[in-house]
Amino acid sequence: AQTVTQSQPEMSVQEAETVTLSCTYDTSESDYYLFWYKQPPSRQMILVIRQEAYKQQNATENRFSVNFQKAAKSFSLKISDSQLGDAAMYFCAYSGNPGSARQLTFGSGTQLTVLP
Amino acid sequence: DAGVIQSPRHEVTEMGQEVTLRCKPISGHNSLFWYRQTMMRGLELLIYFNNNVPIDDSGMPEDRFSAKMPNASFSTLKIQPSEPRDSAVYFCASSFSLQGFKIYTQYFGPGTRLTVL
Repeated sequence: AQTVTQSQPEMSVQEAETVTLSCTYDTSESDYYLFWYKQPPSRQMILVIRQEAYKQQNATENRFSVNFQKAAKSFSLKISDSQLGDAAMYFCAYSGNPGSARQLTFGSGTQLTVLP
Repeated sequence: DAGVIQSPRHEVTEMGQEVTLRCKPISGHNSLFWYRQTMMRGLELLIYFNNNVPIDDSGMPEDRFSAKMPNASFSTLKIQPSEPRDSAVYFCASSFSLQGFKIYTQYFGPGTRLTVL
Protein backbone atom coordinates (compact mmCIF):
# COMPACT_ATOMS: atom_id res chain seq x y z
CA ALA A 1 0.00 0.00 0.00
CA GLN A 2 1.10 3.50 -0.71
CA THR A 3 1.92 5.83 2.16
CA VAL A 4 2.49 9.56 2.25
CA THR A 5 4.48 11.22 5.02
CA GLN A 6 4.60 14.87 5.95
CA SER A 7 7.11 15.23 8.73
CA GLN A 8 6.44 18.88 9.53
CA PRO A 9 3.18 19.29 11.47
CA GLU A 10 3.66 23.05 11.59
CA MET A 11 5.67 25.63 9.69
CA SER A 12 5.80 29.40 9.76
CA VAL A 13 7.09 31.95 7.30
CA GLN A 14 7.42 35.68 7.20
CA GLU A 15 5.28 37.45 4.67
CA ALA A 16 7.13 37.85 1.32
CA GLU A 17 9.61 35.14 2.24
CA THR A 18 9.95 31.64 0.82
CA VAL A 19 9.00 28.42 2.56
CA THR A 20 9.36 24.76 1.61
CA LEU A 21 7.02 22.03 2.81
CA SER A 22 8.30 18.46 2.75
CA CYS A 23 6.60 15.29 1.61
CA THR A 24 7.84 11.77 1.07
CA TYR A 25 5.93 8.79 -0.20
CA ASP A 26 6.34 5.09 -0.60
CA THR A 27 5.15 3.16 -3.64
CA SER A 28 6.11 0.28 -5.86
CA GLU A 29 4.33 1.75 -8.86
CA SER A 30 6.27 3.41 -11.65
CA ASP A 31 3.58 5.76 -12.87
CA TYR A 32 1.52 7.92 -10.56
CA TYR A 33 0.43 11.45 -9.75
CA LEU A 34 1.29 13.65 -6.82
CA PHE A 35 -0.67 16.62 -5.56
CA TRP A 36 -0.58 19.41 -3.06
CA TYR A 37 -3.91 20.55 -1.70
CA LYS A 38 -4.51 23.56 0.50
CA GLN A 39 -7.18 23.66 3.20
CA PRO A 40 -7.80 27.13 4.65
CA PRO A 41 -9.97 27.69 7.73
CA SER A 42 -13.03 27.52 5.49
CA ARG A 43 -12.00 23.82 5.20
CA GLN A 44 -12.45 23.82 1.42
CA MET A 45 -9.87 21.53 -0.20
CA ILE A 46 -8.19 23.51 -2.96
CA LEU A 47 -5.83 22.00 -5.51
CA VAL A 48 -2.52 23.87 -5.50
CA ILE A 49 -0.38 21.91 -7.91
CA ARG A 50 0.05 18.46 -9.42
CA GLN A 51 2.97 16.48 -10.80
CA GLU A 52 2.95 13.51 -13.16
CA ALA A 53 5.62 11.01 -12.19
CA TYR A 54 6.65 10.40 -15.80
CA LYS A 55 7.54 14.07 -16.24
CA GLN A 56 11.03 15.04 -15.18
CA GLN A 57 10.26 18.73 -15.22
CA ASN A 58 9.05 20.12 -11.93
CA ALA A 59 5.56 21.60 -11.98
CA THR A 60 5.04 25.29 -11.30
CA GLU A 61 1.95 27.39 -10.73
CA ASN A 62 2.71 31.05 -10.23
CA ARG A 63 4.32 31.35 -6.79
CA PHE A 64 4.06 27.61 -6.14
CA SER A 65 6.57 25.09 -7.38
CA VAL A 66 7.59 21.57 -6.52
CA ASN A 67 10.86 19.74 -6.22
CA PHE A 68 10.10 16.24 -7.40
CA GLN A 69 12.81 13.68 -6.74
CA LYS A 70 11.47 10.38 -8.06
CA ALA A 71 14.36 8.20 -6.97
CA ALA A 72 14.22 9.61 -3.46
CA LYS A 73 10.40 9.54 -3.47
CA SER A 74 10.33 13.11 -2.36
CA PHE A 75 7.86 15.81 -3.38
CA SER A 76 8.33 19.17 -1.67
CA LEU A 77 6.31 22.33 -2.20
CA LYS A 78 7.97 25.72 -2.39
CA ILE A 79 5.93 28.85 -1.84
CA SER A 80 7.65 32.02 -2.94
CA ASP A 81 6.71 35.54 -1.88
CA SER A 82 4.43 34.18 0.81
CA GLN A 83 1.16 36.01 1.34
CA LEU A 84 -1.20 36.10 4.31
CA GLY A 85 -3.74 34.22 2.23
CA ASP A 86 -1.36 31.29 1.96
CA ALA A 87 -1.96 30.44 5.60
CA ALA A 88 -3.65 27.07 5.63
CA MET A 89 -3.18 23.36 6.17
CA TYR A 90 -1.31 21.83 3.25
CA PHE A 91 -1.78 18.20 2.29
CA CYS A 92 0.43 16.15 0.06
CA ALA A 93 -1.43 13.40 -1.80
CA TYR A 94 -0.68 10.43 -4.03
CA SER A 95 -2.77 8.80 -6.74
CA GLY A 96 -1.62 5.72 -8.59
CA ASN A 97 -2.91 2.89 -10.76
CA PRO A 98 -2.78 4.56 -14.18
CA GLY A 99 -5.72 4.07 -16.44
CA SER A 100 -8.44 4.21 -13.86
CA ALA A 101 -9.70 6.62 -11.31
CA ARG A 102 -8.30 5.83 -7.93
CA GLN A 103 -8.52 7.41 -4.57
CA LEU A 104 -6.04 9.86 -3.17
CA THR A 105 -3.81 8.85 -0.28
CA PHE A 106 -3.16 11.88 1.88
CA GLY A 107 -0.38 12.83 4.23
CA SER A 108 -1.17 14.12 7.70
CA GLY A 109 -0.80 17.74 6.69
CA THR A 110 1.42 20.73 7.50
CA GLN A 111 -0.14 23.77 9.14
CA LEU A 112 1.42 26.87 7.58
CA THR A 113 1.33 30.18 9.42
CA VAL A 114 2.25 33.36 7.58
CA LEU A 115 3.55 36.11 9.85
CA PRO A 116 2.95 39.73 8.88
CA ASP B 1 -18.77 26.58 -13.87
CA ALA B 2 -20.17 25.28 -10.61
CA GLY B 3 -17.85 23.16 -8.56
CA VAL B 4 -18.79 20.15 -6.50
CA ILE B 5 -21.89 20.94 -4.47
CA GLN B 6 -22.57 19.37 -1.09
CA SER B 7 -25.52 19.70 1.23
CA PRO B 8 -26.10 20.35 3.98
CA ARG B 9 -23.00 22.31 5.00
CA HIS B 10 -23.66 21.62 8.66
CA GLU B 11 -25.68 18.87 10.28
CA VAL B 12 -26.32 18.36 13.96
CA THR B 13 -28.25 15.30 14.97
CA GLU B 14 -28.81 13.02 17.89
CA MET B 15 -27.39 9.57 18.29
CA GLY B 16 -29.54 6.97 16.60
CA GLN B 17 -30.94 9.28 13.95
CA GLU B 18 -30.52 8.75 10.24
CA VAL B 19 -28.28 11.21 8.43
CA THR B 20 -28.15 11.74 4.67
CA LEU B 21 -25.41 13.74 3.01
CA ARG B 22 -25.76 14.82 -0.60
CA CYS B 23 -23.34 15.55 -3.40
CA LYS B 24 -23.60 16.88 -6.92
CA PRO B 25 -20.36 16.34 -8.87
CA ILE B 26 -18.98 18.62 -11.51
CA SER B 27 -20.86 18.17 -14.76
CA GLY B 28 -19.00 15.81 -17.08
CA HIS B 29 -17.04 14.10 -14.33
CA ASN B 30 -17.48 10.35 -14.17
CA SER B 31 -15.78 9.50 -10.89
CA LEU B 32 -17.04 10.43 -7.46
CA PHE B 33 -15.38 10.00 -4.10
CA TRP B 34 -16.55 10.28 -0.51
CA TYR B 35 -13.92 11.14 2.11
CA ARG B 36 -14.09 11.62 5.85
CA GLN B 37 -11.80 13.95 7.77
CA THR B 38 -11.18 13.68 11.50
CA MET B 39 -8.42 14.92 13.75
CA MET B 40 -7.50 11.39 14.72
CA ARG B 41 -7.48 9.73 11.32
CA GLY B 42 -6.98 12.60 8.91
CA LEU B 43 -8.50 12.28 5.44
CA GLU B 44 -9.66 8.81 4.53
CA LEU B 45 -11.56 7.48 1.55
CA LEU B 46 -14.89 5.89 2.30
CA ILE B 47 -16.06 4.87 -1.16
CA TYR B 48 -15.67 5.79 -4.78
CA PHE B 49 -17.82 5.41 -7.88
CA ASN B 50 -16.83 5.24 -11.50
CA ASN B 51 -19.60 5.76 -14.06
CA ASN B 52 -22.13 5.49 -11.21
CA VAL B 53 -20.88 2.07 -10.15
CA PRO B 54 -19.27 1.57 -6.74
CA ILE B 55 -15.69 0.44 -7.36
CA ASP B 56 -14.18 0.36 -3.90
CA ASP B 57 -16.13 0.57 -0.65
CA SER B 58 -13.48 -0.94 1.56
CA GLY B 59 -13.21 2.30 3.48
CA MET B 60 -16.81 2.28 4.61
CA PRO B 61 -16.47 1.78 8.35
CA GLU B 62 -19.53 -0.30 9.08
CA ASP B 63 -22.84 -1.47 7.75
CA ARG B 64 -24.34 1.66 9.21
CA PHE B 65 -22.82 3.52 6.29
CA SER B 66 -24.22 3.24 2.78
CA ALA B 67 -23.72 5.24 -0.40
CA LYS B 68 -25.60 5.43 -3.65
CA MET B 69 -25.16 7.10 -6.99
CA PRO B 70 -28.44 6.76 -8.89
CA ASN B 71 -27.24 8.94 -11.76
CA ALA B 72 -24.21 10.87 -12.94
CA SER B 73 -25.22 14.07 -11.18
CA PHE B 74 -26.15 12.92 -7.70
CA SER B 75 -24.82 10.83 -4.85
CA THR B 76 -25.82 10.27 -1.25
CA LEU B 77 -24.00 9.02 1.81
CA LYS B 78 -26.28 7.70 4.52
CA ILE B 79 -25.53 6.85 8.12
CA GLN B 80 -28.16 4.86 9.96
CA PRO B 81 -28.12 4.85 12.92
CA SER B 82 -25.65 7.63 13.60
CA GLU B 83 -23.23 7.56 16.53
CA PRO B 84 -21.12 10.28 18.18
CA ARG B 85 -17.94 8.77 16.70
CA ASP B 86 -19.31 9.54 13.23
CA SER B 87 -18.80 13.25 13.92
CA ALA B 88 -16.44 14.51 11.22
CA VAL B 89 -16.25 16.55 8.06
CA TYR B 90 -17.41 14.58 5.04
CA PHE B 91 -16.08 15.59 1.64
CA CYS B 92 -17.28 14.66 -1.77
CA ALA B 93 -14.87 14.95 -4.69
CA SER B 94 -15.21 14.32 -8.41
CA SER B 95 -12.88 13.80 -11.33
CA PHE B 96 -12.87 12.77 -14.95
CA SER B 97 -11.14 9.56 -15.87
CA LEU B 98 -10.89 7.90 -19.25
CA GLN B 99 -9.16 4.57 -19.64
CA GLY B 100 -5.69 5.21 -20.99
CA PHE B 101 -6.04 8.97 -20.66
CA LYS B 102 -4.38 10.10 -17.52
CA ILE B 103 -6.38 12.67 -15.65
CA TYR B 104 -6.45 12.18 -11.92
CA THR B 105 -7.18 15.57 -10.44
CA GLN B 106 -9.96 15.43 -7.92
CA TYR B 107 -11.97 18.52 -7.14
CA PHE B 108 -13.51 18.74 -3.72
CA GLY B 109 -16.77 20.10 -2.45
CA PRO B 110 -16.94 22.39 0.59
CA GLY B 111 -17.67 19.50 2.93
CA THR B 112 -20.42 18.73 5.41
CA ARG B 113 -19.61 19.12 9.07
CA LEU B 114 -21.53 16.43 10.92
CA THR B 115 -22.01 16.52 14.66
CA VAL B 116 -23.73 13.60 16.35
CA LEU B 117 -24.73 14.32 19.94
